[in-house]
Amino acid sequence: EDQVTQSPEALRLQEGESSSLNCSYTVSGLRGLFWYRQDPGKGPEFLFTLYSAGEEKEKERLKATLTKKESFLHITAPKPEDSATYLCAVRANDYKLSFGAGTTVTVRA
Amino acid sequence: GAVVSQHPSWVICKSGTSVKIECRSLDFQATTMFWYRQFPKQSLMLMATSNEGSKATYEQGVEKDKFLINHASLTLSTLTVTSAHPEDSSFYICSAPPKGGTNEQFFGPGTRLTVL
Repeated sequence: EDQVTQSPEALRLQEGESSSLNCSYTVSGLRGLFWYRQDPGKGPEFLFTLYSAGEEKEKERLKATLTKKESFLHITAPKPEDSATYLCAVRANDYKLSFGAGTTVTVRA
Repeated sequence: GAVVSQHPSWVICKSGTSVKIECRSLDFQATTMFWYRQFPKQSLMLMATSNEGSKATYEQGVEKDKFLINHASLTLSTLTVTSAHPEDSSFYICSAPPKGGTNEQFFGPGTRLTVL
């Protein structure tokens, strides 16, 4: 069974204080690791897909990296608008996604 | 990016009634759509896979007679919560990968169901 574990559960940052979120996974035949952003009361918003170890992707202040066992989402110099819950998910065979519990990031001005 | 809509965005109903939630892909076709449920401060749990032209497949522990899914066309899937009870109150979200397209899944904005 696919397992996705995210840490920490919550992260409080000062504006400009860079940090990283962790996503550890166990899956048979990874077909993709996904990062989503979810704001309260809204559906997840797609950020990145990573397919193979060593792959990196960037978008504004966010950078996602992937190893064979985990992925990191680095937030560089965060702003208050980066406050959200960040979800990690893996896809094995079909289009089904298995989600982690998420990391709730709060950035204070 | 592709757009997925849901209707209604929120609904309040009395216990024992049925509620229908629509999920539409607005600018792409989707032979498959997924329905998730999310309880407060928890992650998304896959409920079922909706397949256009065939029966939905349900995840273990999800009652197929309670959560009726119909994938009427390549752009529309509906979830009907039958005989709703307060424990069915949750945030329901659908998603869809474009037909024959990328590995991405696009999520709808969600429907907040409150059963009194």
